[in-house]
Amino acid sequence: SQTIHQWPATLVQPVGSPLSLECTVEGTSNPNLYWYRQAAGRGLQLLFYSVGIGQISSEVPQNLSASRPQDRQFILSSKKLLLSDSGFYLCAWRRTGQGLNTEAFFGQGTRLTVV
Amino acid sequence: RKEVEQDPGPFNVPEGATVAFNCTYSNSASQSFFWYRQDCRKEPKLLMSVYSSGNEDGRFTAQLNRASQYISLLIRDSKLSDSATYLCVVTGWSTGFQKLVFGTGTRLLVSP
Repeated sequence: SQTIHQWPATLVQPVGSPLSLECTVEGTSNPNLYWYRQAAGRGLQLLFYSVGIGQISSEVPQNLSASRPQDRQFILSSKKLLLSDSGFYLCAWRRTGQGLNTEAFFGQGTRLTVV
Repeated sequence: RKEVEQDPGPFNVPEGATVAFNCTYSNSASQSFFWYRQDCRKEPKLLMSVYSSGNEDGRFTAQLNRASQYISLLIRDSKLSDSATYLCVVTGWSTGFQKLVFGTGTRLLVSP
């Protein structure tokens, strides 16, 4: 069976500090990978998606970057955090090659508070 | 206009009640539709996919109306454990890549 791991679960970081959130998927190959952010009381905003190693697309301009160094590893980073980067960050994966009607599976999320 | 719109609620219902949520989407080319459930401070989890002919899973029924571009979720015999936020999800396209677009969610509170 497939599983997705995301860590850490919670994080408190000072403004200006770097960030690295990691997500790994097990039990599948060549998944589509996503990073979403959910601000308090808001919907999920797609930040980045990846269809393969080294292939990253950004949905919105921001203070964050993403990388996919391995097939099942997706990393979200920032060199200098802003207060506005606070939120609930969710990694997700979807199967590929099985048509369009495929759902996404989410990691447990990282609750980031920038202080 | 937002790609996916939902009434944020909250919907306050007693146990045993029937409650329905609607969701509208703007992209007529959308092909896949889902309802997710999100508990407080947790990740979203798939509740059910929505098929063109409508589908049912126990107390939950999902419907799709392509002509009017909305999907619905009906919950019968509400349980306390149904209290959560329900997210409507629609597929969209971004520079040739299919993505999932989430609504902001409808909050349901089921009381004893």
